[in-house]
Amino acid sequence: QKEVEQDPGPLSVPEGAIVSLNCTYSNSAFQYFMWYRQYSRKGPELLMYTYSSGNKEDGRFTAQVDKSSKYISLFIRDSQPSDSATYLCASHTGGFKTIFGAGTRLFVKA
Amino acid sequence: ETGVTQSPTHLIKTRGQQVTLRCSSQSGHNTVSWYQQALGQGPQFIFQYYREEENGRGNFPPRFSGLQFPNYSSELNVNALELDDSALYLCVSTAGTGTGELFFGEGSRLTVL
Repeated sequence: QKEVEQDPGPLSVPEGAIVSLNCTYSNSAFQYFMWYRQYSRKGPELLMYTYSSGNKEDGRFTAQVDKSSKYISLFIRDSQPSDSATYLCASHTGGFKTIFGAGTRLFVKA
Repeated sequence: ETGVTQSPTHLIKTRGQQVTLRCSSQSGHNTVSWYQQALGQGPQFIFQYYREEENGRGNFPPRFSGLQFPNYSSELNVNALELDDSALYLCVSTAGTGTGELFFGEGSRLTVL
């Protein structure tokens, strides 16, 4: 079993839709949770960084962590074609290694 | 732009050859990590270097080795290349050994034939 599981998609939505991206994890020691966005032929870039359970909002993006169910979510409101990318969830315990999910490919159609 | 630069951007090797990938860290960052991203997969941790010493290693065989130089630039070396080594190799620089925000380079895409 992978430590972080993520549906690879692809997920296709119309412009303006609310997008929900989800991951599950198995390591109870994970304390930090992140979402990275990766455009084609680029390295990943950090979108959201949260510690422990709860919600964090940044503009059109909201990250949720539920440690009781080991569930990580990212919501994108008013999605735009420029949001089309691969979204990677990731976790770590505070050490030197970050564990990534496989990534979900998102297409936002104009 | 993260300020992390990698070279070469693309290269093709044949099975059994050796390859060296290079990375220049973001200014002020003293720690470098390398990740392997196979097609359709998330990045997988290879190892981390801090003060020119290997600080941690993922589940990769010894034929994957690295160096960090006094100016914090880094190399990833892979010997005896296998077909499964075909992937995007990502260099990451950070300001410390813990995993806060990771600053990724654009990657070096290696194809092994």
